[in-house]
Amino acid sequence: DGGITQSPKYLFRKEGQNVTLSCEQNLNHDAMYWYRQDPGQGLRLIYYSQIVNDFQKGDIAEGYSVSREKKESFPLTVTSAQKNPTAFYLCASSSQGATGELFFGEGSRLTVL
Amino acid sequence: QKEVEQDPGPLSVPEGAIVSLNCTYSNSAFQYFMWYRQYSRKGPELLMYTYSSGNKEDGRFTAQVDKSSKYISLFIRDSQPSDSATYLCAMRDRTGRRALTFGSGTRLQVQP
Repeated sequence: DGGITQSPKYLFRKEGQNVTLSCEQNLNHDAMYWYRQDPGQGLRLIYYSQIVNDFQKGDIAEGYSVSREKKESFPLTVTSAQKNPTAFYLCASSSQGATGELFFGEGSRLTVL
Repeated sequence: QKEVEQDPGPLSVPEGAIVSLNCTYSNSAFQYFMWYRQYSRKGPELLMYTYSSGNKEDGRFTAQVDKSSKYISLFIRDSQPSDSATYLCAMRDRTGRRALTFGSGTRLQVQP
């Protein structure tokens, strides 16, 4: 089945540690996105990539890093510089068609202890 | 002020009621409007999509866009307990950044 796979589903991290969230898609989409979701704040854009080997900062990129070495993969690293990393992280992809509909993965819940 | 405003709810209705969910926005360049449904601890899924102004109907769901008022709505007829979820409006402009801008989401509870 075509879709987006995020892993791990749940992750615990100690303060000061970096952690990488995986996102893989087999929809043959060019564009991929990372959003963060906090209660009452909706989805906020962290990074996005419209093509392999290129990515742009979103609205809340500080403390995060990404890479896009393959079309199918867009991993997100939450660094120790991120002040409040506990959140629900959602990866999405879209084709370059007019609508720009986003397809989402199931999310990764990161908790910093 | 946020670009997209959405009442967070929660909104509680009895089964069979008509539900109205709304968003307002400030960016007049937005052209594509979407509604996503998100069940607890899951990723959002697209429910309705509308381009520019007008209405769109799909089964029990109707999406309306009023660009002159910068106001979009989602109506759910004959609501069911399975409709209980968070509903997120999302929108983007025609050019430039293709990422969607989301509202904060409205939590809906349909009581059996």
